[in-house]
Amino acid sequence: QKEVEQDPGPLSVPEGAIVSLNCTYSNSAFQYFMWYRQYSRKGPELLMYTYSSGNKEDGRFTAQVDKSSKYISLFIRDSQPSDSATYLCAMSEGGGSEKLVFGKGMKLTVNP
Amino acid sequence: ETGVTQSPTHLIKTRGQQVTLRCSSQSGHNTVSWYQQALGQGPQFIFQYYREEENGRGNFPPRFSGLQFPNYSSELNVNALELDDSALYLCASSQDRQETQYFGPGTRLLVL
Repeated sequence: QKEVEQDPGPLSVPEGAIVSLNCTYSNSAFQYFMWYRQYSRKGPELLMYTYSSGNKEDGRFTAQVDKSSKYISLFIRDSQPSDSATYLCAMSEGGGSEKLVFGKGMKLTVNP
Repeated sequence: ETGVTQSPTHLIKTRGQQVTLRCSSQSGHNTVSWYQQALGQGPQFIFQYYREEENGRGNFPPRFSGLQFPNYSSELNVNALELDDSALYLCASSQDRQETQYFGPGTRLLVL
């Protein structure tokens, strides 16, 4: 079993839709949870950073962490064509600057 | 503020050869991590350098080696290249206890 599992999709939605992306994990030592966005031919960029369980909101993006279920989610409201990218969940034991364990990435396309 | 830069952008090598990839970290960052991203996969941690010392290593063989210089730039060396080494190699820099690693655009390596 991989440490981090993420459905690779692809996922195609119409503009304005609510998008839900999920990851599960097996390592209970993970304390820091991140979502990165990666555009084609670019490096990943950090979208959301959460420590331990709970919710975090930033504009149209909401990250949720449920440590009891070992499950994390990213919600995108009012999705835009510019949100079309690959979304990677990432986790670490010691913080965002430590070794990151990534999911496979979900390729999202938002159609105008 | 200059971001993370990597060189070269693309590289083609043949099996058995050796390759050196270079990374310039973001100004003020003392930590560099290297990741391998195979096609359709999430990045996998290779190793991290903190103030010129290796500070953690992933599940990669010894033919993957690295170096960090006093200006915190870094090199990734891969000896005896194999076909499976074909991937996007990402460098990420960070400062102690920061929330995030800042990724460069990557070097795309093709081994024939």
